[in-house]
Amino acid sequence: EVQLVETGGGLVQPGKSLKLTCATSGFTFSNAWMHWVRQSPEKQLEWVAQIKAKSNNYATYYAESVKGRFTISRDDSKSSVYLQMNSLKEEDTAIYYCTRLGYWGQGVMVTVSS
Amino acid sequence: DIQMTQSPSVLSASVGDRVTLNCKASQNINKYLNWYQQKLGEAPKLLIYNTNNLQTGIPSRFSGSGSGTDYTLTISSLQPEDVATYFCFQHNSWPLTFGSGTKLEIK
Repeated sequence: EVQLVETGGGLVQPGKSLKLTCATSGFTFSNAWMHWVRQSPEKQLEWVAQIKAKSNNYATYYAESVKGRFTISRDDSKSSVYLQMNSLKEEDTAIYYCTRLGYWGQGVMVTVSS
Repeated sequence: DIQMTQSPSVLSASVGDRVTLNCKASQNINKYLNWYQQKLGEAPKLLIYNTNNLQTGIPSRFSGSGSGTDYTLTISSLQPEDVATYFCFQHNSWPLTFGSGTKLEIK
């Protein structure tokens, strides 16, 4: 059974950092292209970042809204993907989902507020 | 960036109706179009990938079609459990983008 479990969310002040972790199982993680997608309180879905597999040189891509502040990475030995979020803004408040597009985690809430 | 425009934003239909949801891209996305269903309090679920491929386990009443910039999700016979918001998503070019969703209700 495919599973994706996100952790690391919480309440953080503007300008601070947070790191999300997505632990996966049930598929060959090392071959998978992984994404982070977020959903705002207004329920709009926004693609955040993607990381490809080792065979694609771990290429990464970002939404303009997070470029330079967020970093996606992966550890194939742990079947995990990460999202390092720096210089957080109130508009980053959302549920963050880890996904390989066909399968999604349950999401983790990130609230940026003073 | 490719803009994805979904219509209508809200659709109310009766059980058994044939329902059509639309998604229009601001440029050609070469059929790299997925449809997701999201029920209240749940993560999105993939229904259709690459325009017309039914994801494993999804009922056959769901189907997709389209090309170029215009895409459609059809539910052949609406069921009560289909109440949800439906999002289209293009993965043809970065940044990848979602439509704003169609909320499907039962009359």
